[in-house]
Amino acid sequence: QVQLQESGPGLVKPSQTLSLTCTVSGGSISSGSYYWSWIRQPAGKGLEWIGRIYTSGSTNYNPSLKSRVTISVDTSKNQFSLKLSSVTAADTAVYYCARTGAPHAFDIWGQGTMVTVSS
Amino acid sequence: QSALTQPPSASGSPGQSVTISCTGTSSDVGGYNYVSWYQQHPGKAPKLMIYEVSKRPSGVPDRFSGSKSGNTASLTVSGLQAEDEADYYCSSYAGSNNFVFGTGTKVTVL
Repeated sequence: QVQLQESGPGLVKPSQTLSLTCTVSGGSISSGSYYWSWIRQPAGKGLEWIGRIYTSGSTNYNPSLKSRVTISVDTSKNQFSLKLSSVTAADTAVYYCARTGAPHAFDIWGQGTMVTVSS
Repeated sequence: QSALTQPPSASGSPGQSVTISCTGTSSDVGGYNYVSWYQQHPGKAPKLMIYEVSKRPSGVPDRFSGSKSGNTASLTVSGLQAEDEADYYCSSYAGSNNFVFGTGTKVTVL
């Protein structure tokens, strides 16, 4: 079955760009009508949707983060990526990648990766 | 947009039922039948339990059910079991290709 795995630096300096990759295994990222999302969760807090990408490259972003977020897809590597610029301590969180398989619901999640913003 | 409002906590004894509310606005919960619910155990990724207000993915016990009235959605867990103790989050499509999550509810099995 399809599995997702996040990867990337666990520590990012303030004002720099956070970069994460989600690798899709067990199926092609291009098959089916799926969107691929990034979602984050600060320690002890709730979930926040960051944005999503369709395999065509079409993207949608959370309006509150839109100016700092870029999501891209590399179908040849079966991966999609997140870039979040000008990070601050408020961006410290566990970052999840997820598939939108059910209509407007996130049916498959990666295990999450912790990113700390600190100098 | 603002997070959907959930009660911080809910509890019940084994075998009992617990219902969690998720209150939004006419721009999200009330405007679309795209409310989903997620179960999250400590240190784990969320798991989809309900989508499109009341549909259960394959493998989710029928003890879990969802409903919606106006701007408020609800998740009911019947026949509570120890393994149901977890955090639960609602989510709703909010229009304009945007999504919003709830504040989360910690369910305790007494």
